[in-house]
Amino acid sequence: KQEVTQIPAALSVPEGENLVLNCSFTDSAIYNLQWFRQDPGKGLTSLLLIQSSQREQTSGRLNASLDKSSGRSTLYIAASQPGDSATYLCAAYSGGGADGLTFGKGTHLIIQP
Amino acid sequence: EPEVTQTPSHQVTQMGQEVILRCVPISNHLYFYWYRQILGQKVEFLVSFYNNEISEKSEIFDDQFSVERPDGSNFTLKIRSTKLEDSAMYFCASSGGPADTQYFGPGTRLTVL
Repeated sequence: KQEVTQIPAALSVPEGENLVLNCSFTDSAIYNLQWFRQDPGKGLTSLLLIQSSQREQTSGRLNASLDKSSGRSTLYIAASQPGDSATYLCAAYSGGGADGLTFGKGTHLIIQP
Repeated sequence: EPEVTQTPSHQVTQMGQEVILRCVPISNHLYFYWYRQILGQKVEFLVSFYNNEISEKSEIFDDQFSVERPDGSNFTLKIRSTKLEDSAMYFCASSGGPADTQYFGPGTRLTVL
């Protein structure tokens, strides 16, 4: 059964810093990995999806990488801003009869102005 | 930009009552999902739906749950006899294909008293 873990659970950094959020998964047989942002009491906003054949995906100041063999993904946020404050979730899609995403618990990020 | 919508945003019910949570997926999507998030816990997959039938369900999705696509636009989750432990945020999601980006709605907060 797929398990997804995110480290750290919480992170607080000053505005302007570059930062890395980590995600690990136990079963490397994934189709893709998706990163989301969740604001308090709100839904999930999709940030990036990396297919299993890809190593990286970029969107603006966000860059996500995937290393299937080691069961790891990272989300890199460049030049952080207070508006980036949110909980960041990663989720693995394994397919093959397991249609749903398996989520980590998230990293709660605070960017200090 | 197309988005997934959910109603109501908050539902309060008495234990043992039936509730129906409603979702309108993105119009050209073919795959639909329900997830739940108990306060402070991970987002958990409940069920996926494709071609008017359940594609996959988790062990959480027992006989008290059912899903339906009553018309060309709505997708519903019914809980027949609510329990206290059903209190959670319920998210609907949709995707164009099984391994495509899943887009989430804003959620329905269900409170069972």
